[in-house]
Amino acid sequence: GAVVSQHPSRVICKSGTSVKIECRSLDFQATTMFWYRQFPKQSLMLMATSNEGSKATYEQGVEKDKFLINHASLTLSTLTVTSAHPEDSSFYICSAGSNRRNTEAFFGQGTRLTVV
Amino acid sequence: AQSVTQLGSHVSVSEGALVLLRCNYSSSVPPYLFWYVQYPNQGLQLLLKYTSAATLVKGINGFEAEFKKSETSFHLTKPSAHMSDAAEYFCAVLGNEKLTFGTGTRLTIIP
Repeated sequence: GAVVSQHPSRVICKSGTSVKIECRSLDFQATTMFWYRQFPKQSLMLMATSNEGSKATYEQGVEKDKFLINHASLTLSTLTVTSAHPEDSSFYICSAGSNRRNTEAFFGQGTRLTVV
Repeated sequence: AQSVTQLGSHVSVSEGALVLLRCNYSSSVPPYLFWYVQYPNQGLQLLLKYTSAATLVKGINGFEAEFKKSETSFHLTKPSAHMSDAAEYFCAVLGNEKLTFGTGTRLTIIP
């Protein structure tokens, strides 16, 4: 299957700082990328959907000013957690789809964010 | 709206025994269904998917799942468990171009 690379795999930051997470599709063009958050021992919660060249669509309850998503090219989407707080500590996972039906979604390795 | 229910947050089976992980779905349209596996601190890997073709779907690592419309189920099975199968398994349904995940089932393999 296609490869999606997510970076960094782990990051520790101080409260109040911002952290950027990158999601790259390495061998295909991703028209749509999805960002998920996963709490310990829980399922994945979709945060937002981003389409290349347009604004991201956020799920209800997700603060778009806190979780900035940029999908500047067909191979790169970034999630920036702004003014991070300890409660933002979580596992963030991206996935990339090569078609709008998302029947071929490929997931990144995830990023463990710890805010201290 | 689509939803997925995974019965049993934890399942333990002996090595070599049958693995059965349950998934029931709710969908207003013919569903696309998926099973993913997640190892600790890693992303999700697709095991198999149902996209309205054959109702019995074979995936990687010896797993398979059967789509049963009458039961709205898509249970995951493997005839003989291996120690390397220990992981978290997620069932998901595609709706409105988004994946909705179940709460996951942690599979433990007993030596």
